[in-house]
Amino acid sequence: DAKTTQPPSMDCAEGRAANLPCNHSTISGNEYVYWYRQIHSQGPQYIIHGLKNNETNEMASLIITEDRKSSTLILPHATLRDTAVYYCIVRGANFGNEKLTFGTGTRLTIIP
Amino acid sequence: GAVVSQHPSWVICKSGTSVKIECRSLDFQATTMFWYRQFPKQSLMLMATSNEGSKATYEQGVEKDKFLINHASLTLSTLTVTSAHPEDSSFYICSARDSRGGGSYTFGSGTRLTVV
Repeated sequence: DAKTTQPPSMDCAEGRAANLPCNHSTISGNEYVYWYRQIHSQGPQYIIHGLKNNETNEMASLIITEDRKSSTLILPHATLRDTAVYYCIVRGANFGNEKLTFGTGTRLTIIP
Repeated sequence: GAVVSQHPSWVICKSGTSVKIECRSLDFQATTMFWYRQFPKQSLMLMATSNEGSKATYEQGVEKDKFLINHASLTLSTLTVTSAHPEDSSFYICSARDSRGGGSYTFGSGTRLTVV
Protein backbone atom coordinates (compact mmCIF):
# COMPACT_ATOMS: atom_id res chain seq x y z
CA ASP A 1 0.00 0.00 0.00
CA ALA A 2 1.13 3.54 -0.72
CA LYS A 3 2.59 5.49 2.17
CA THR A 4 0.88 8.65 3.40
CA THR A 5 2.40 11.76 4.95
CA GLN A 6 0.44 14.05 7.27
CA PRO A 7 1.42 16.97 9.48
CA PRO A 8 1.71 15.76 13.09
CA SER A 9 -0.56 18.42 14.51
CA MET A 10 -2.88 21.29 13.60
CA ASP A 11 -5.07 23.78 15.40
CA CYS A 12 -8.34 25.21 14.14
CA ALA A 13 -10.71 27.75 15.64
CA GLU A 14 -14.16 26.54 16.56
CA GLY A 15 -16.68 27.29 13.84
CA ARG A 16 -14.08 27.60 11.12
CA ALA A 17 -13.33 25.06 8.42
CA ALA A 18 -10.58 22.57 9.27
CA ASN A 19 -8.49 21.56 6.27
CA LEU A 20 -6.32 18.50 6.84
CA PRO A 21 -3.77 17.69 4.13
CA CYS A 22 -2.41 14.31 3.17
CA ASN A 23 0.33 13.42 0.74
CA HIS A 24 0.21 10.06 -1.02
CA SER A 25 2.52 10.59 -3.97
CA THR A 26 3.08 6.87 -4.61
CA ILE A 27 -0.61 6.00 -4.86
CA SER A 28 -1.52 3.67 -7.70
CA GLY A 29 -4.54 3.81 -9.93
CA ASN A 30 -6.77 1.38 -8.06
CA GLU A 31 -6.00 2.51 -4.53
CA TYR A 32 -8.60 4.32 -2.45
CA VAL A 33 -8.02 7.17 -0.02
CA TYR A 34 -9.70 6.70 3.36
CA TRP A 35 -10.03 9.06 6.29
CA TYR A 36 -10.67 7.96 9.84
CA ARG A 37 -10.46 9.75 13.15
CA GLN A 38 -9.81 8.52 16.65
CA ILE A 39 -10.92 10.24 19.78
CA HIS A 40 -8.88 9.34 22.83
CA SER A 41 -9.26 5.70 23.94
CA GLN A 42 -11.95 4.88 21.39
CA GLY A 43 -11.98 2.89 18.18
CA PRO A 44 -11.42 4.79 14.93
CA GLN A 45 -14.46 6.35 13.32
CA TYR A 46 -14.99 6.27 9.57
CA ILE A 47 -15.25 9.70 7.96
CA ILE A 48 -15.09 9.39 4.21
CA HIS A 49 -13.30 7.70 1.34
CA GLY A 50 -12.77 8.24 -2.37
CA LEU A 51 -10.97 7.04 -5.46
CA LYS A 52 -10.73 9.88 -7.98
CA ASN A 53 -13.64 12.22 -7.56
CA ASN A 54 -14.25 14.61 -4.73
CA GLU A 55 -16.65 13.25 -2.17
CA THR A 56 -18.96 14.83 0.40
CA ASN A 57 -21.06 13.40 3.17
CA GLU A 58 -22.69 14.68 6.32
CA MET A 59 -19.39 14.75 8.17
CA ALA A 60 -16.85 16.10 5.73
CA SER A 61 -15.64 16.69 2.20
CA LEU A 62 -12.72 14.95 0.55
CA ILE A 63 -10.83 16.78 -2.16
CA ILE A 64 -8.45 14.64 -4.23
CA THR A 65 -6.05 16.34 -6.61
CA GLU A 66 -6.25 15.48 -10.27
CA ASP A 67 -2.96 13.56 -10.18
CA ARG A 68 -4.21 11.82 -6.98
CA LYS A 69 -0.92 12.44 -5.22
CA SER A 70 -2.53 14.37 -2.40
CA SER A 71 -5.87 15.00 -0.79
CA THR A 72 -7.50 17.30 1.74
CA LEU A 73 -10.14 16.47 4.29
CA ILE A 74 -12.41 19.39 5.05
CA LEU A 75 -14.53 19.66 8.17
CA PRO A 76 -16.73 22.61 7.22
CA HIS A 77 -17.64 23.97 10.65
CA ALA A 78 -15.34 22.52 13.27
CA THR A 79 -16.66 21.95 16.78
CA LEU A 80 -14.85 21.04 19.98
CA ARG A 81 -15.98 17.44 19.48
CA ASP A 82 -13.91 17.28 16.31
CA THR A 83 -10.72 17.31 18.39
CA ALA A 84 -9.13 13.96 17.52
CA VAL A 85 -6.31 12.25 15.63
CA TYR A 86 -7.13 12.08 11.93
CA TYR A 87 -5.69 9.31 9.80
CA CYS A 88 -5.34 9.35 6.03
CA ILE A 89 -4.99 5.82 4.67
CA VAL A 90 -4.43 4.43 1.20
CA ARG A 91 -5.97 1.04 0.61
CA GLY A 92 -5.56 -1.38 -2.24
CA ALA A 93 -8.60 -2.52 -4.14
CA ASN A 94 -7.36 -5.98 -5.03
CA PHE A 95 -8.79 -9.05 -3.36
CA GLY A 96 -6.54 -10.08 -0.50
CA ASN A 97 -5.12 -6.59 -0.12
CA GLU A 98 -7.95 -4.99 1.77
CA LYS A 99 -6.24 -4.19 5.02
CA LEU A 100 -6.04 -0.64 6.35
CA THR A 101 -2.55 0.34 7.44
CA PHE A 102 -2.48 3.37 9.72
CA GLY A 103 0.23 6.02 9.64
CA THR A 104 0.97 8.52 12.38
CA GLY A 105 -1.98 10.82 11.63
CA THR A 106 -2.64 14.48 12.42
CA ARG A 107 -3.66 15.54 15.88
CA LEU A 108 -6.32 18.20 15.30
CA THR A 109 -7.15 20.50 18.20
CA ILE A 110 -10.19 22.73 17.95
CA ILE A 111 -9.66 25.94 19.85
CA PRO A 112 -12.69 27.59 21.53
CA GLY B 1 -25.14 2.06 10.23
CA ALA B 2 -22.83 -0.91 10.67
CA VAL B 3 -21.93 -1.72 14.27
CA VAL B 4 -19.05 -3.76 15.62
CA SER B 5 -19.25 -4.83 19.25
CA GLN B 6 -16.03 -5.61 21.09
CA HIS B 7 -15.99 -7.27 24.49
CA PRO B 8 -14.72 -6.78 27.10
CA SER B 9 -13.96 -3.08 27.01
CA TRP B 10 -11.27 -3.53 29.62
CA VAL B 11 -9.66 -6.44 31.42
CA ILE B 12 -6.98 -6.92 34.04
CA CYS B 13 -5.27 -10.28 34.24
CA LYS B 14 -2.34 -11.89 35.98
CA SER B 15 0.89 -12.73 34.19
CA GLY B 16 0.81 -16.17 32.66
CA THR B 17 -2.94 -16.32 32.16
CA SER B 18 -4.82 -16.12 28.88
CA VAL B 19 -7.37 -13.53 27.87
CA LYS B 20 -9.99 -13.79 25.12
CA ILE B 21 -11.36 -10.74 23.33
CA GLU B 22 -14.50 -10.99 21.19
CA CYS B 23 -15.38 -8.96 18.13
CA ARG B 24 -18.90 -9.20 16.72
CA SER B 25 -20.48 -7.58 13.70
CA LEU B 26 -24.02 -6.89 14.88
CA ASP B 27 -25.96 -6.06 11.75
CA PHE B 28 -23.82 -7.36 8.92
CA GLN B 29 -21.71 -10.34 7.96
CA ALA B 30 -17.98 -10.01 7.78
CA THR B 31 -15.87 -12.53 5.91
CA THR B 32 -12.80 -10.64 7.00
CA MET B 33 -12.00 -8.96 10.28
CA PHE B 34 -8.82 -7.23 11.37
CA TRP B 35 -7.05 -7.02 14.72
CA TYR B 36 -4.94 -4.05 15.76
CA ARG B 37 -2.87 -3.14 18.78
CA GLN B 38 -2.20 0.39 19.95
CA PHE B 39 0.31 1.52 22.55
CA PRO B 40 -0.07 4.89 24.31
CA LYS B 41 0.51 7.89 22.07
CA GLN B 42 1.14 5.64 19.08
CA SER B 43 -0.81 4.74 15.98
CA LEU B 44 -2.72 1.51 15.38
CA MET B 45 -0.56 -1.42 14.36
CA LEU B 46 -2.19 -4.16 12.34
CA MET B 47 -1.59 -7.54 13.95
CA ALA B 48 -3.51 -9.93 11.75
CA THR B 49 -6.28 -10.42 9.24
CA SER B 50 -8.94 -12.86 10.37
CA ASN B 51 -10.67 -14.89 7.67
CA GLU B 52 -13.91 -16.76 8.32
CA GLY B 53 -13.39 -20.49 8.13
CA SER B 54 -9.66 -20.35 7.52
CA LYS B 55 -6.41 -19.47 9.22
CA ALA B 56 -5.60 -15.90 10.08
CA THR B 57 -2.88 -14.04 8.25
CA TYR B 58 -0.40 -12.47 10.66
CA GLU B 59 1.72 -9.42 10.05
CA GLN B 60 5.46 -9.73 10.21
CA GLY B 61 6.75 -9.86 13.77
CA VAL B 62 3.44 -10.93 15.34
CA GLU B 63 3.64 -14.27 17.14
CA LYS B 64 0.80 -16.46 15.92
CA ASP B 65 1.14 -18.85 18.85
CA LYS B 66 0.80 -16.03 21.32
CA PHE B 67 -2.08 -14.20 19.65
CA LEU B 68 -4.57 -16.88 18.67
CA ILE B 69 -7.28 -15.79 16.29
CA ASN B 70 -10.45 -17.71 15.57
CA HIS B 71 -13.08 -16.60 13.05
CA ALA B 72 -15.65 -19.36 13.36
CA SER B 73 -18.65 -17.50 11.96
CA LEU B 74 -19.44 -14.58 9.70
CA THR B 75 -20.19 -12.38 12.69
CA LEU B 76 -17.61 -13.36 15.29
CA SER B 77 -13.85 -13.27 15.55
CA THR B 78 -11.89 -13.81 18.75
CA LEU B 79 -8.37 -12.89 19.76
CA THR B 80 -6.80 -14.84 22.61
CA VAL B 81 -3.66 -13.48 24.20
CA THR B 82 -1.98 -16.55 25.62
CA SER B 83 0.39 -16.57 28.58
CA ALA B 84 0.06 -12.83 28.89
CA HIS B 85 2.94 -10.72 30.16
CA PRO B 86 3.06 -7.07 31.22
CA GLU B 87 4.49 -6.08 27.84
CA ASP B 88 1.26 -7.36 26.25
CA SER B 89 -0.63 -4.60 28.04
CA SER B 90 -2.13 -2.51 25.29
CA PHE B 91 -5.30 -1.31 23.59
CA TYR B 92 -6.61 -3.98 21.22
CA ILE B 93 -9.07 -2.98 18.49
CA CYS B 94 -10.93 -5.04 15.91
CA SER B 95 -12.38 -3.97 12.59
CA ALA B 96 -14.77 -5.54 10.12
CA ARG B 97 -15.92 -4.89 6.60
CA ASP B 98 -19.35 -5.86 5.30
CA SER B 99 -19.09 -8.94 3.06
CA ARG B 100 -21.55 -7.40 0.64
CA GLY B 101 -18.97 -4.85 -0.32
CA GLY B 102 -19.14 -1.13 0.05
CA GLY B 103 -16.31 1.01 1.24
CA SER B 104 -16.18 1.54 4.93
CA TYR B 105 -14.56 -0.52 7.63
CA THR B 106 -16.21 -0.42 11.02
CA PHE B 107 -14.12 -0.51 14.17
CA GLY B 108 -14.97 -1.81 17.60
CA SER B 109 -14.60 0.37 20.65
CA GLY B 110 -11.43 -1.40 21.74
CA THR B 111 -10.29 -3.49 24.70
CA ARG B 112 -7.84 -2.13 27.24
CA LEU B 113 -5.72 -5.06 28.47
CA THR B 114 -3.61 -4.65 31.58
CA VAL B 115 -1.38 -7.53 32.63
CA VAL B 116 -0.14 -7.39 36.21
